[in-house]
Amino acid sequence: QVQLVESGGGVVQPGRSLRLSCAASGFNFSSSAMHWVRQAPGKGLEWVAVISFDGNRKYDADSVKGRFTISRDNSKNTVFLQMNSLRGDDTAIYYCARAALLVGTWYDIWGQGTLVTVSS
Amino acid sequence: DIQMTQSPTTLSASVGDRVTITCRASQSINRWLAWYQQKPGKAPKLLIYKASSLESGVPSRFSGSGSGTDFTLTISNLQPDDFATYYCQQYDLLWTFGQGTKVESK
Repeated sequence: QVQLVESGGGVVQPGRSLRLSCAASGFNFSSSAMHWVRQAPGKGLEWVAVISFDGNRKYDADSVKGRFTISRDNSKNTVFLQMNSLRGDDTAIYYCARAALLVGTWYDIWGQGTLVTVSS
Repeated sequence: DIQMTQSPTTLSASVGDRVTITCRASQSINRWLAWYQQKPGKAPKLLIYKASSLESGVPSRFSGSGSGTDFTLTISNLQPDDFATYYCQQYDLLWTFGQGTKVESK
């Protein structure tokens, strides 16, 4: 069964760190570029970061630049999002998604999301 | 950055209606546009890619058109399962979503 399962969300204080994980199954993970997308409560979708299939190319949104880092472990079929210096406006559901073809394409598989709440 | 603007923000329609949602890009994105459907509490679901290609398994009442800066998503013969929020996404330069269009029951 093709699926992505995120984990690692929770409540964290401003300025602290959190690491999200996304475990993939049912497809060739090591050939797939992977993204993180977030959605603040009641708001729209915002792209966060992408990593190429081999981990050699990474891009992230200006809103998280210098604070968030995307990485992957192809031996464990898992992509990660390390989030540092968290702020209130980082509160959101974080989804991982697979790029359908190359890095610069649409998403054909989404996880169910994990909620991150930044609050004191 | 490329901005994506959807209209309308909310659309009231009845089962059987033909519904059209518009997405405009702040600069030309060729045909590098996707459409997603999202229901409350669920992850988005891919409907259309490359402006007009229907994802496998998606009903044929969904169709997409456009190129350059102006795009449309059309749902012909709206079904009860189609009441949801729809997002366009450009992937020409990084990735940007429109603000969403909620299709609600009239």
